[in-house]
Amino acid sequence: DGGITQSPKYLFRKEGQNVTLSCEQNLNHDAMYWYRQDPGQGLRLIYYSQIVNDFQKGDIAEGYSVSREKKESFPLTVTSAQKNPTAFYLCASSFRAPLVEQYFGPGTRLTVT
Amino acid sequence: DAKTTQPPSMDCAEGRAANLPCNHSTISGNEYVYWYRQIHSQGPQYIIHGLKNNETNEMASLIITEDRKSSTLILPHATLRDTAVYYCIVRVGGGTASKLTFGTGTRLQVTL
Repeated sequence: DGGITQSPKYLFRKEGQNVTLSCEQNLNHDAMYWYRQDPGQGLRLIYYSQIVNDFQKGDIAEGYSVSREKKESFPLTVTSAQKNPTAFYLCASSFRAPLVEQYFGPGTRLTVT
Repeated sequence: DAKTTQPPSMDCAEGRAANLPCNHSTISGNEYVYWYRQIHSQGPQYIIHGLKNNETNEMASLIITEDRKSSTLILPHATLRDTAVYYCIVRVGGGTASKLTFGTGTRLQVTL
């Protein structure tokens, strides 16, 4: 089955710890994205990558880091510098072409206490 | 990208058509209208997009006014599974892959 996976579904961490969220896709998509969603809000873009070894900051990149060493994978690290890390994190991917739809993963709900 | 305005919530009886409006009065000539939906605690799902002509696919129809300042997403026969938050997004055409700017959307509740 082709698709985009995120793991784990739920993640709990103590304040001050870095945590890495996984995102993998087997759709042969070039572009990948990370969004954050807070309760009752829309999605906000954290980082995106259009090709391997390249990525750009989105609207709320502070306190986050990413890497894109493989086409299939785009992990997101939530660092201790992120002041409000508790949120629902969504990964997406798409072909690198105009107007293409983005395919979203099931999301990871991160709780930091 | 142009800003969109949607009602925060709507109700629809199962089997009836759900008509979800969206205002995008500042849309530019090269901006497309996209619709996504998000079922509770899942990732958003693409529904449909259009530029100025009406569009239809297996999920929905998109009606865009002639002046392109507003549009309506139509789910012709709503079911309980269509209960979700629906996002109207305006996106620039051309270029390579770009971000989607999500607002707060319309929460559609389909009832028996």
